[in-house]
Amino acid sequence: QKEVEQNSGPLSVPEGAIASLNCTYSDRGSQSFFWYRQYSGKSPELIMSIYSNGDKEDGRFTAQLNKASQYVSLLIRDSQPSDSATYLCAVTRTGTYKYIFGTGTRLKVLA
Amino acid sequence: GAGVSQSPSNKVTEKGKDVELRCDPISGHTALYWYRQSLGQGLEFLIYFQGNSAPDKSGLPSDRFSAERTGGSVSTLTIQRTQQEDSAVYLCASSLVTSGDYEQYFGPGTRLTVT
Repeated sequence: QKEVEQNSGPLSVPEGAIASLNCTYSDRGSQSFFWYRQYSGKSPELIMSIYSNGDKEDGRFTAQLNKASQYVSLLIRDSQPSDSATYLCAVTRTGTYKYIFGTGTRLKVLA
Repeated sequence: GAGVSQSPSNKVTEKGKDVELRCDPISGHTALYWYRQSLGQGLEFLIYFQGNSAPDKSGLPSDRFSAERTGGSVSTLTIQRTQQEDSAVYLCASSLVTSGDYEQYFGPGTRLTVT
């Protein structure tokens, strides 16, 4: 079992729809959770961080964390073609500052 | 303020040569990370520094890879006797790592091509 799992996709959504990206993790003691966006040929860019259970909203993005079920999700409202990218989930390991990254979900927003 | 910078942006080297990749973190960031990303693949953790010490070197692929960080700032990743399988984008990231803030920011990467 991978420590951080994401569906590789591609996830295709029409423009204006809600894109829902999911991530599960295996270390129950994981403490910090992050979503990054990576455009082809570019480095990852931080979108959201979330540290406690519940929802965190920032503009069109909402991160949701459920520690009991060990998953974190990212919702993108009013998806735009410019949102087409690979989305990486990252988790910090208990007791360290080492980040464990998932392999990413490729999102395609269709105009 | 200035972000994470890396140099060179591109490096082409012949198999068997040594290369040095440099990372300049965001000012004041205490943690520094090196990753490798091969074409179409995910991020592969190599090493991270907290200050000048490296609590976790578990990701270094072989003893040809080494890294150091001096003065709690700039870091250098050295690859000796490069092989073609070392070709990848090498990414550096830094993080403040204070209570409640563990956000990690990436540099633009160094694309290494071993011919």
